Amino acid sequence: EAGVTQFPSHSVIEKGQTVTLRCDPISGHDNLYWYRRVMGKEIKFLLHFVKESKQDESGMPNNRFLAERTGGTYSTLKVQPAELEDSGVYFCASSQLDRLYGYTFGSGTRLTVV
Amino acid sequence: DAKTTQPPSMDCAEGRAANLPCNHSTISGNEYVYWYRQIHSQGPQYIIHGLKNNETNEMASLIITEDRKSSTLILPHATLRDTAVYYCAIIQGAQKLVFGQGTRLTINP
Repeated sequence: EAGVTQFPSHSVIEKGQTVTLRCDPISGHDNLYWYRRVMGKEIKFLLHFVKESKQDESGMPNNRFLAERTGGTYSTLKVQPAELEDSGVYFCASSQLDRLYGYTFGSGTRLTVV
Repeated sequence: DAKTTQPPSMDCAEGRAANLPCNHSTISGNEYVYWYRQIHSQGPQYIIHGLKNNETNEMASLIITEDRKSSTLILPHATLRDTAVYYCAIIQGAQKLVFGQGTRLTINP
């Protein structure tokens, strides 16, 4: 079984540019989550999709962040325009509807805004 | 949000049991305790979870105090490959994980 795939693995962009991160969940996993860790801080929840619907987006920091999950398969997280404080590692995770065995996380995208 | 508190770092000798504590004194009755670990450049890896009973699987054991305000993750025979950052997390509501700062565990030969 393929795991959760994220790309790119690294991205370096200038302040004010746009970046789009992609996540491919495990096939058949209806739940998809985005988390991020900024320097020196704990991993924090951003949002949760159930299929193509946003179940909880309470962790999205501001309206520069837009997440989509068209067709309930892969998801994208766009940051536009990027700011210096957006630098960090963005993780995607997925799980089946019965979540009792924990999420499976991807390896993350390390975003650096300069 | 219920929060977790963990020591920032710990050391353990190879072959010994590693006991990692976590405080979650504000946990609610229906919130689960989850443990993950992160090895350099990888994503967090699920280890174990529990509600109020002690749990054991092939990776670790989880001991939760009776009042549920703290828990301990036990790696029974630590190896060098267990060197990682270990996160205690609470799952809230519709499946949102709330992570602590993590404990950097170093296994020494």
